[in-house]
Amino acid sequence: DVKVTQSSRYLVKRTGEKVFLECVQDMDHENMFWYRQDPGLGLRLIYFSYDVKMKEKGDIPEGYSVSREKKERFSLILESASTNQTSMYLCATRGGGASQETQYFGPGTRLLVL
Amino acid sequence: GNSVTQMEGPVTLSEEAFLTINCTYTATGYPSLFWYVQYPGEGLQLLLKATKADDKGSNKGFEATYRKETTSFHLEKGSVQVSDSAVYFCALTPSGGSNYKLTFGKGTLLTVNP
Repeated sequence: DVKVTQSSRYLVKRTGEKVFLECVQDMDHENMFWYRQDPGLGLRLIYFSYDVKMKEKGDIPEGYSVSREKKERFSLILESASTNQTSMYLCATRGGGASQETQYFGPGTRLLVL
Repeated sequence: GNSVTQMEGPVTLSEEAFLTINCTYTATGYPSLFWYVQYPGEGLQLLLKATKADDKGSNKGFEATYRKETTSFHLEKGSVQVSDSAVYFCALTPSGGSNYKLTFGKGTLLTVNP
């Protein structure tokens, strides 16, 4: 079974703080993704990475950055947290190749920015 | 661009009722289609998928058929249980190429009462 873990289930931070969300996978997958989930908006892609040190912007990258120094770990960074970044953050992974379309999700981190 | 439209809900049913959640998509070519489920407090899990026209995905009593002619992938279950209460997301990923992005619908909240 694919296992995707996220460093925290719940996080409370203050406006202006630097926030790190960590995601670790154990399946040697090339591709990793960060989404945020908001009521009425569904899931929106923030960034994804298709290899170590490689990244691409998703649909809503503003205010976020990412880091992929090792294949199994993909970090989402909020450089200066703001209240509009209060959300549920979901990490996902998928294998390489056109035949491996399924994305596997972690349990999510619910972030509250005060 | 690609898009997914699903009935917004919420949907409330009694146990053993028939379930349909409509999903239609816009995409070029032959995307792969997915239904993901999110149980309360958890991340998303793949429920079923179909990768080509007329394929039927099925799992846990749920079914969906890939209809190219109507660009639809409606989710059905003949007899729902209380444990099926969750949010259901329809999604697609484009065919071929290196674009591995999943495009999600906004989700449909299903509540099943005993």
